[in-house]
Amino acid sequence: GQNIDQPTEMTATEGAIVQINCTYQTSGFNGLFWYQQHAGEAPTFLSYNVLDGLEEKGRFSSFLSRSKGYSYLLLKELQMKDSASYLCAVRDGTYKYIFGTGTRLKVLA
Amino acid sequence: ETGVTQTPRHLVMGMTNKKSLKCEQHLGHNAMYWYKQSAKKPLELMFVYNFKEQTENNSVPSRFSPECPNSSHLFLHLHTLQPEDSALYLCASSQDGGSGGMQTQYFGPGTRLLVL
Repeated sequence: GQNIDQPTEMTATEGAIVQINCTYQTSGFNGLFWYQQHAGEAPTFLSYNVLDGLEEKGRFSSFLSRSKGYSYLLLKELQMKDSASYLCAVRDGTYKYIFGTGTRLKVLA
Repeated sequence: ETGVTQTPRHLVMGMTNKKSLKCEQHLGHNAMYWYKQSAKKPLELMFVYNFKEQTENNSVPSRFSPECPNSSHLFLHLHTLQPEDSALYLCASSQDGGSGGMQTQYFGPGTRLLVL
């Protein structure tokens, strides 16, 4: 079946580094996305991986290993505004995007 | 602002009411999506339209009826809903549903629906 797993909650301190893991089992693979969603707001796009390796974009990086069905999102120099849910999603084929339940990150002062 | 707007932002309706949710995208995209987001559950894909044609219906009950009059607008017509249908309904768009390219989805802010 289709399944995406990510931790439910994580807590980290302002200025620290946090890694949010995502493992997936899908029938197809056409890219993996990370989204950030603040409470009551729309998910916003953070990163995209389709080939193995690391993609870096400012304080955010995302890694993909297709053979392991594994990705992580790395957030550096954490800020209070980074407190949000982080959604891992796999594009399975043409039109289907399979989402995980999201990881709620709390950044403490 | 993601370029995708949704109205209304909040909706309370009885089980016998009929209402409609509206989504509009200003990104020039050709694919549009309806998702349901319930607490502690993953986003559930409901419907997909690509170039105004419905390409996915993810086993959604018939009390939800989508309409896509053009590539910029998407509606979700609701009738005789159940309390378990209470959720956040998100609309999204992407360039198109083709297999090539990144096809990032851009989401609207959602409609918070409460069915009494």
